Amino acid sequence: GAGVSQSPSNKVTEKGKDVELRCDPISGHTALYWYRQSLGQGLEFLIYFQGNSAPDKSGLPSDRFSAERTGGSVSTLTIQRTQQEDSAVYLCASSPTDNEGYTFGSGTRLTVV
Amino acid sequence: KQEVTQIPAALSVPEGENLVLNCSFTDSAIYNLQWFRQDPGKGLTSLLLIQSSQREQTSGRLNASLDKSSGRSTLYIAASQPGDSATYLCAVSGNTPLVFGKGTRLSVIA
Repeated sequence: GAGVSQSPSNKVTEKGKDVELRCDPISGHTALYWYRQSLGQGLEFLIYFQGNSAPDKSGLPSDRFSAERTGGSVSTLTIQRTQQEDSAVYLCASSPTDNEGYTFGSGTRLTVV
Repeated sequence: KQEVTQIPAALSVPEGENLVLNCSFTDSAIYNLQWFRQDPGKGLTSLLLIQSSQREQTSGRLNASLDKSSGRSTLYIAASQPGDSATYLCAVSGNTPLVFGKGTRLSVIA
């Protein structure tokens, strides 16, 4: 596609529920990244996929967070048993390779009530 | 561990002024440095990408420089306009995915 597409744009969920956030990267981009931006905070790296390599999960804050990337394209970030501190904007980015410029999507604003 | 610092945290200038935003990073082993713009409630828009072998990049009224050895970059905005009001983020890529500074919030007053 022309850009990185994320859905939904907004999600309100009850504490304890599971949520899935979707990212559709730019076609042909082999690298895909998830970041989190909490209110008033900087961008926090979560997870990184590069081609068929094992993902770099070093930024995931807890085992309630997981992500997968199917067929080297679309990625899904799953948060299980959501907590109020998970409320944030979740941003996805892709790049042609792992050392070229990133293109970000518009993000998913998650609110846990 | 790479750390990125942006100074100032906030800046308010009258329309028409030229201004400089500063970014510093602790590990000079980078692939590239990228400047982004973020409008309130929006995602990130890439402004300029400087590869580690480059010294500067220009796009319109924007000019970004990179001094890798000293771990510094500047973003120069010429003839600022109210539409330039946004948060500007600096990020570096190296052996880890992009590491971001906390940004400079710019207000250009008409």
